[in-house]
Amino acid sequence: SQQGEEDPQALSIQEGENATMNCSYKTSINNLQWYRQNSGRGLVHLILIRSNEREKHSGRLRVTLDTSKKSSSLLITASRAADTASYFCATDASYSGAGSYQLTFGKGTKLSVIP
Amino acid sequence: ETGVTQTPRHLVMGMTNKKSLKCEQHLGHNAMYWYKQSAKKPLELMFVYSLEERVENNSVPSRFSPECPNSSHLFLHLHTLQPEDSALYLCASSQDFNTQYFGPGTRLTVL
Repeated sequence: SQQGEEDPQALSIQEGENATMNCSYKTSINNLQWYRQNSGRGLVHLILIRSNEREKHSGRLRVTLDTSKKSSSLLITASRAADTASYFCATDASYSGAGSYQLTFGKGTKLSVIP
Repeated sequence: ETGVTQTPRHLVMGMTNKKSLKCEQHLGHNAMYWYKQSAKKPLELMFVYSLEERVENNSVPSRFSPECPNSSHLFLHLHTLQPEDSALYLCASSQDFNTQYFGPGTRLTVL
């Protein structure tokens, strides 16, 4: 079964508002990542948070991790129309070999920011 | 630009055709990946290559055949595909701490 599950599946907000997306997972992890995907394009890495970290910031992004609840949240502050995209969390489910890890992605949250 | 390129960006093929997808990474990474992304389904990992050796093959049908001739190039050879194979095929690369860098994808349509 998939490791990461994002919630909500879709989110629509007005420009300037904050957007919060959640991710839950099932097994222990070394780290959790968030990726963004514009429609029909490749994924872009946003931020990585390690299992021993509780919060991390990058520009307008804030990620929290609660390993006791096996959950993470991504907050985008002061949203812009350009933030419209799908957002995925990914957990490192298994180690596949030298320098490579298998990531498991959720189905994503589709964010629409209305100008 | 993420440093990972994919060609072609769009491909339409019949079920009896043979085609290949190409991925090239300019990041000096030592691992490369093929993913399949279908509508309303999670991203599915198909193949992983590390140091040019295949280390993961997630029960992918034999009509998909990967090839990694060197650490910078990855191919996905397609043969006798089915309409349900229509999807966005994404290539990614990584080094060490599993942050993956994705290409723009190839939108494949099988008629």
